[in-house]
Amino acid sequence: GEDVEQSLFLSVREGDSSVINCTYTDSSSTYLYWYKQEPGAGLQLLTYIFSNMDMKQDQRLTVLLNKKDKHLSLRIADTQTGDSAIYFCAERLTGGFKTIFGAGTRLFVKA
Amino acid sequence: KAGVTQTPRYLIKTRGQQVTLSCSPISGHRSVSWYQQTPGQGLQFLFEYFSETQRNKGNFPGRFSGRQFSNSRSEMNVSTLELGDSALYLCASWSQIETQYFGPGTRLLVL
Repeated sequence: GEDVEQSLFLSVREGDSSVINCTYTDSSSTYLYWYKQEPGAGLQLLTYIFSNMDMKQDQRLTVLLNKKDKHLSLRIADTQTGDSAIYFCAERLTGGFKTIFGAGTRLFVKA
Repeated sequence: KAGVTQTPRYLIKTRGQQVTLSCSPISGHRSVSWYQQTPGQGLQFLFEYFSETQRNKGNFPGRFSGRQFSNSRSEMNVSTLELGDSALYLCASWSQIETQYFGPGTRLLVL
């Protein structure tokens, strides 16, 4: 089946690292994505990883992919109050021309 | 490059009416996807178009339809509006490396 699951809330202190986790069920995904959504706005692409990669680092962002466990994580180093938003995990299905999104994790950053 | 644009940004309709939403993708992008976002259901896939052809369709009733024009601009139409159609409708365009960029969305309120 096609399903992407994320925890709904995460609260961290400013300056700490945040780790947002995601699990997916479809093993035929090609790309996996992380998006950020701020109130009243569309989704902003943060980073993505191809399914044959294990890790990708992009400035403060680190994506880890465990394909065996179908687990994706996003680590945000030195989390700032401006990082407070909803973070969506998504997978692109092979050949299906369809992208499945998780429900989103709301990140609260306490000053 | 200009981002994805969606018009109108806000819309109020009454039950039974129909509505047409427009999306202009990033210049050079030939594929467009549409999503419905609601607090209860999250982000749900509506359609995906490439070069004027619908590549895939989500699990929505036939009241939801879409099309893509030769200039890659896309429209979606919802006929016989219901209260439950109130949502943020997001359009996204795809780059050649399978990354998806979202517009700001059209917020539809059905009264």
